[in-house]
Amino acid sequence: DGGITQSPKYLFRKEGQNVTLSCEQNLNHDAMYWYRQDPGQGLRLIYYSQIVNDFQKGDIAEGYSVSREKKESFPLTVTSAQKNPTAFYLCASSIRLGQGTGELFFGEGSRLTVL
Amino acid sequence: QKEVEQNSGPLSVPEGAIASLNCTYSDRGSQSFFWYRQYSGKSPELIMFIYSNGDKEDGRFTAQLNKASQYVSLLIRDSQPSDSATYLCAVNNGFQKLVFGTGTRLLVSP
Repeated sequence: DGGITQSPKYLFRKEGQNVTLSCEQNLNHDAMYWYRQDPGQGLRLIYYSQIVNDFQKGDIAEGYSVSREKKESFPLTVTSAQKNPTAFYLCASSIRLGQGTGELFFGEGSRLTVL
Repeated sequence: QKEVEQNSGPLSVPEGAIASLNCTYSDRGSQSFFWYRQYSGKSPELIMFIYSNGDKEDGRFTAQLNKASQYVSLLIRDSQPSDSATYLCAVNNGFQKLVFGTGTRLLVSP
């Protein structure tokens, strides 16, 4: 089945540690995205990538980093510089803008808690 | 002004009633509009998308778009308790990303 796989689903981290969230898709989509969601809030864009080896900052990129070495993979690193990292992180993909409707397909999410 | 605005709710309706969810957006260049449903603790799932003025129906769901007034709405007919969720409005403004509203929480009581 085609889809997006995020891991881990739950992650606990001590303050000062970097953590990396995995996102893999087998939909052959060009575009991939990372969103953050806080309780009672909408989705805020962290980073997005339209093509391999290229990515753009979203609205809240500070304290995060990404890479896009393969079309299928878009890992997100939450660094110790992120002041309030406890949140629900969602990875998504879409057919490159200009093709299709722009619909996003989401993974199941990763819930990060900083202790 | 937020790019995409929704009333956070909760919107409470009895089972069988019509639920009406509204969303306004600020960018007149916005091209396509999406409604996602999100159950608590889960990821969003697409309900409908629309990009032409007017109504688009899919089963119990109807999306309505009025570009002149810059609003998009979602009607849910014959609401069921299983429809209780947060509904996120998202707008594609022609750039390479969707902008989401904060969502409206819908509660359907039996």
